[in-house]
Amino acid sequence: QKEVEQNSGPLSVPEGAIASLNCTYSDRGSQSFFWYRQYSGKSPELIMSIYSNGDKEDGRFTAQLNKASQYVSLLIRDSQPSDSATYLCAVNDGYSTLTFGKGTMLLVSP
Amino acid sequence: NAGVTQTPKFQVLKTGQSMTLQCAQDMNHNSMYWYRQDPGMGLRLIYYSASEGTTDKGEVPNGYNVSRLNKREFSLRLESAAPSQTSVYFCASSEGRGRYGYTFGSGTRLTVV
Repeated sequence: QKEVEQNSGPLSVPEGAIASLNCTYSDRGSQSFFWYRQYSGKSPELIMSIYSNGDKEDGRFTAQLNKASQYVSLLIRDSQPSDSATYLCAVNDGYSTLTFGKGTMLLVSP
Repeated sequence: NAGVTQTPKFQVLKTGQSMTLQCAQDMNHNSMYWYRQDPGMGLRLIYYSASEGTTDKGEVPNGYNVSRLNKREFSLRLESAAPSQTSVYFCASSEGRGRYGYTFGSGTRLTVV
């Protein structure tokens, strides 16, 4: 059984701070790693993908992957109230369907 | 570019009624998926279609049927709705087996009374 674990939160950070979201996965064969953002009442939106160990930066977002430790993280710099959402981690082995975590709720207070 | 389009957006059914949720994508993706999302349960895969002409069960297929009508369209049918099927349903599509992630539709909020 492939599993993706996330702390459900909520993770509360003040505006302007760095939000750090973490995810661990069980399948060592995983090759693709994703972060989705889901606003309340909306559908998941892909915001970051990462395929190799290390960091990948896109604007205020940085995804970090450590395959040896089987964890993925998402850093959000200069957090804004508009970043308040649930963040879903997902992993894929290239053959089967994506495995999603249950998500971490992020609350950014003004 | 529409992406993944789901209809309807909202639906109320009585127990025992049937309905079909429609999904269409215009990204020429091979694979399509149906998920349900319930509070505290995360996204759960109902059925998926890896390519046109194939369908497979996911984690929670009971009470549902699917049809991959063509490469663009993938429908989900509830033959006899039950209150336990009250949920938000998402359709998604992907290139290949999801190596580049999924694109989700806007969802259908279904209530069975």
